[in-house]
Amino acid sequence: NAGVTQTPKFQVLKTGQSMTLQCAQDMNHNSMYWYRQDPGMGLRLIYYSASEGTTDKGEVPNGYNVSRLNKREFSLRLESAAPSQTSVYFCASSEAGGSSEQFFGPGTRLTVL
Amino acid sequence: AQSVTQLGSHVSVSEGALVLLRCNYSSSVPPYLFWYVQYPNQGLQLLLKYTTGATLVKGINGFEAEFKKSETSFHLTKPSAHMSDAAEYFCAVSGAGRRALTFGSGTRLQVQP
Repeated sequence: NAGVTQTPKFQVLKTGQSMTLQCAQDMNHNSMYWYRQDPGMGLRLIYYSASEGTTDKGEVPNGYNVSRLNKREFSLRLESAAPSQTSVYFCASSEAGGSSEQFFGPGTRLTVL
Repeated sequence: AQSVTQLGSHVSVSEGALVLLRCNYSSSVPPYLFWYVQYPNQGLQLLLKYTTGATLVKGINGFEAEFKKSETSFHLTKPSAHMSDAAEYFCAVSGAGRRALTFGSGTRLQVQP
C-alpha cells in the first residue's frame, strides 16, 4: 500500500498562475483533507471532504477550490496564486472524522514569487 | 470552538533525559486528543491518541501522554530521550461530530548528545 500520495513534491509559481495539487489514497478511506503548514502556525485546515461527493470549507479556504473526484482522489486548486499561498501543503485521509487517525501524505512545497 | 496551545516552540534535552512536551486544549465537546510527530521533510505520523477510557495512553517509540480533564491538558512524555527523537511534535484535538483536527503550533524537540 502506498498510503497517501501527493504530486508534485515541489512547485514554483509566479503570482497569478494557477495549478492543481493532486492527492490520492489507497486505504478506502471516506474522509480526506487539505492542510497548509506555515512556520509557527501548525497545520491549518483548508478544505475537507467527509465522503465522496461532499466538500466543506475549513479554517483558511480563501483562494482555494477543491474537487473530490472519486473516493480515492481529492485535488486542491489555486486559481490565481499569491505570495501568501507560499506554504507546504499536506493531504490526509481517515476512515471517518472525530476519533479516527488521519494518515498524511509527504507534502507539496509551493513557492509563489 | 476548539483550540490547542503548545507551550514552548523549541525544547532542548540531553540524550537520556526526560522529555516533556506540553499541550493544553479547549473544547466545547468531549475531546479526542492526538500527538503527531513530523521528521524533517516528511508528513505527520501518529504517535498516540486518546478517545475514551484509560487516561494514560501509550504510543509508539516509548512515548506516552496523560489526559487530565480538570487541567485540560494532554502532555507528552518519554522517560529517556534518544537522538532519533529529534523532530517536531504537534498536539491536535477533535471531538464527536467534528470531521477535522485542530492543531497546535508545534514544538521542535532537539536532543543533545
